[in-house]
Amino acid sequence: AQSVTQLGSHVSVSEGALVLLRCNYSSSVPPYLFWYVQYPNQGLQLLLKYTTGATLVKGINGFEAEFKKSETSFHLTKPSAHMSDAAEYFCAGGRTGFQKLVFGTGTRLLVSP
Amino acid sequence: NAGVTQTPKFQVLKTGQSMTLQCAQDMNHEYMSWYRQDPGMGLRLIHYSVGAGITDQGEVPNGYNVSRSTTEDFPLRLLSAAPSQTSVYFCASSYSIPNAGETQYFGPGTRLLVL
Repeated sequence: AQSVTQLGSHVSVSEGALVLLRCNYSSSVPPYLFWYVQYPNQGLQLLLKYTTGATLVKGINGFEAEFKKSETSFHLTKPSAHMSDAAEYFCAGGRTGFQKLVFGTGTRLLVSP
Repeated sequence: NAGVTQTPKFQVLKTGQSMTLQCAQDMNHEYMSWYRQDPGMGLRLIHYSVGAGITDQGEVPNGYNVSRSTTEDFPLRLLSAAPSQTSVYFCASSYSIPNAGETQYFGPGTRLLVL
């Protein structure tokens, strides 16, 4: 069965530090992969997505993610955290022919001054 | 464009009551879906629709009904509310199926408490 796993329900960083949020997927065929962000009391919005082509994907607000087929990973990074990055982040994956997109359980990013 | 709108924002129900959560989008998207979000469980798909008149079940459909009479609207009905349906509900839409790489646009959510 297709699944998406996010390691760590909470990640804490200091302002200015590197942000690394981990996402692994299970699939025999490279899927479509997404990172969505949810700010408090809001709906989800797209940060970035991988469909085909370049494996390093750049998104909004300075975030990027690299699709690594050999590691079945799609980790999200940002070189320097900002207080406004504090939110919950969801990784999601899907493949054509599957009924639904599968979401990870989410990682809450905490940024301290 | 208003995007995806949901009403109400917050609702309290008693066990056994019924209600309809409203969802509308003005982007002419064919695909619409309903998710519920529970702590530690991410988002789980309840029902989805690939176009007007076409709906199907998702991962957790029991206790919920949907219909899609227009492209714009996709209401979710709780038939007989139970405490297990206490959750935050999100409606989302996309131009085509998200499994094929389409971006989903989410509404602001409806927070439901069933007593």
